[in-house]
Amino acid sequence: DVVMTQTPPSLSVAIGQSVSISCKSSQSLVYSDGKTYLHWLLQSPGRSPKRLIYQVSNLGSGVPDRFSGTGSQKDFTLKISRVEAEDLGVYYCAQTTHFPLTFGSGTKLEIK
Amino acid sequence: QVQLQQSGAELAKPGSSVKISCKASGYTFTSYYISWIKQTTGQGLEYIGYINTGSGGTNYNEKFKGKATLTVDKSSSTAFMQLSSLTPDDSAVYYCARGTTTLAYWGQGTLVTVSS
Repeated sequence: DVVMTQTPPSLSVAIGQSVSISCKSSQSLVYSDGKTYLHWLLQSPGRSPKRLIYQVSNLGSGVPDRFSGTGSQKDFTLKISRVEAEDLGVYYCAQTTHFPLTFGSGTKLEIK
Repeated sequence: QVQLQQSGAELAKPGSSVKISCKASGYTFTSYYISWIKQTTGQGLEYIGYINTGSGGTNYNEKFKGKATLTVDKSSSTAFMQLSSLTPDDSAVYYCARGTTTLAYWGQGTLVTVSS
């Protein structure tokens, strides 16, 4: 199985600051169609995971452009610019290139 | 709008089985597979497998073969997951999600608690 290594495990940031979360995969996430199926999810407290970014850098529907994703092959980053209170929760990276789908262990974002 | 409505929380005894459901609405049910994901505090998010909602074909994560059985009822646009021979390690929140590549839509989750 593809191992997704996510860092840091937790972050504490003030409103308005920017943060980055790293996700590294044990194998390339480029599929045979040339696309890279690496996604970022946010699980707010008591809620289901919600997809923020798909295929590395594409914003999900309704997701503010404070969120951005970059990366390629095995190395990916989620950046949140100008953190807001509603951004708190656990962020996960997920790959759907290889079966079985696998997830990072999560980064808990707390607001100072 | 796309919705995946899961059945309610289950309390089950060790050795028993539970069957949870995921009712889809807002799209053509047979156009997308349904995936199932397990979430625990210790193991995080784990992918169980998926069902082809048109053919009923399934593909399971090796780890969950023999534990989970995925089925579908096209007439009611509902996917099911049965968990058998329950142990405390099966206590978790289980999610259904639409598809296998985008993870765009998730159910609200079903809490399964295994306890004597």
